[in-house]
Amino acid sequence: DVKVTQSSRYLVKRTGEKVFLECVQDMDHENMFWYRQDPGLGLRLIYFSYDVKMKEKGDIPEGYSVSREKKERFSLILESASTNQTSMYLCASSFKGPAGQPQHFGDGTRLSIL
Amino acid sequence: RKEVEQDPGPFNVPEGATVAFNCTYSNSASQSFFWYRQDCRKEPKLLMSVYSSGNEDGRFTAQLNRASQYISLLIRDSKLSDSATYLCVVNLNNYGQNFVFGPGTRLSVLP
Repeated sequence: DVKVTQSSRYLVKRTGEKVFLECVQDMDHENMFWYRQDPGLGLRLIYFSYDVKMKEKGDIPEGYSVSREKKERFSLILESASTNQTSMYLCASSFKGPAGQPQHFGDGTRLSIL
Repeated sequence: RKEVEQDPGPFNVPEGATVAFNCTYSNSASQSFFWYRQDCRKEPKLLMSVYSSGNEDGRFTAQLNRASQYISLLIRDSKLSDSATYLCVVNLNNYGQNFVFGPGTRLSVLP
């Protein structure tokens, strides 16, 4: 079974802090993703990475950065946390091919910014 | 028009009922299709991929109509444990990179 592990289930931080969310997958997937999910807004893509050191902006990258130094690990960084970044953050991974590969999600991190 | 649209729901059905969810997508170049379920405050979990010929997994049947750009999920003999939000997901390329999620349809199976 694919295992995608997020470093924290719940996290509370203060406005202005730099926040790191970590994600590790054990299936040698090329693609990794960070989403946030808010009530009524569904899943929104923040960033994704298709290879080590490669990244692409998603729909809502503002206020976030990412790092992928190793294939199995993809980090999301909130440069200066703000209250509107309080959300559920979901990491996912997938194979690059063949066609028809689904995404697999981690348990999610519920982040509260006070 | 949203890229992936689903029945707005919620669906409230009694145990044992058959329920069908519909999903339409706008991009005719879409490559692969999935149904996920998401329990309250949990992560989405893959329920099943959807193949062109249609496919079945126990009580769940998925259908794809590429001409109409339409996907469906049928759940037979609903169980209380089927209560969740069902997400229709479309992949726009063959590299596992460009996934588009529908808003989800919430199902409550009632005793």
